[in-house]
Amino acid sequence: GAVVSQHPSRVICKSGTSVKIECRSLDFQATTMFWYRQFPKQSLMLMATSNEGSKATYEQGVEKDKFLINHASLTLSTLTVTSAHPEDSSFYICSARDPNRADNSPLHFGNGTRLTVT
Amino acid sequence: DQQVKQNSPSLSVQEGRISILNCDYTNSMFDYFLWYKKYPAEGPTFLISISSIKDKNEDGRFTVFLNKSAKHLSLHIVPSQPGDSAVYFCAASVTRSGYSTLTFGKGTMLLVSP
Repeated sequence: GAVVSQHPSRVICKSGTSVKIECRSLDFQATTMFWYRQFPKQSLMLMATSNEGSKATYEQGVEKDKFLINHASLTLSTLTVTSAHPEDSSFYICSARDPNRADNSPLHFGNGTRLTVT
Repeated sequence: DQQVKQNSPSLSVQEGRISILNCDYTNSMFDYFLWYKKYPAEGPTFLISISSIKDKNEDGRFTVFLNKSAKHLSLHIVPSQPGDSAVYFCAASVTRSGYSTLTFGKGTMLLVSP
């Protein structure tokens, strides 16, 4: 069964509004979660690493003021796309690794959120 | 700069035959490689992995081969089944204490026809 749950699976919003995406680890506590974005026919690109109790680490080129990440608990990380624009339309996927397993144990991914900004 | 490359965007194979998906990487620091399978509107699911200290790892119908000198890995699926039709992502990471981030290729869409 799914070990990482992501919500919503699909959202359509108007330009200028903000959208919040939730990512929950179901079977373990995740001090670290990863947010990826995938544009059509492109690879999954890491946007940021969400750290419980501290600030997120953003990859180069990702605007931290636009993509707000809050890792409020050991099982929940949220990504808020603020003042969304059509170019933010993409597939956003979160992932986490069970900390009780080896460092290289596979990431578990949520089912993703398809964001469409009109 | 694409550090993990999957040069074939798609591959069509007949049921029962072998599917070979290829992946090349440029970063010699990568020491762990994974293959993920992704269906439409779903997140990727882990398939198989290989450490750089090995050159082969097998799990049922899936085998991953690693050629470090060529910086190349491949995923073999045999026999291929229609249910294998999906997008396959190659991913690589550098082992770190605590956590490792993954660098993904663009994916190869596999279509297995009956």
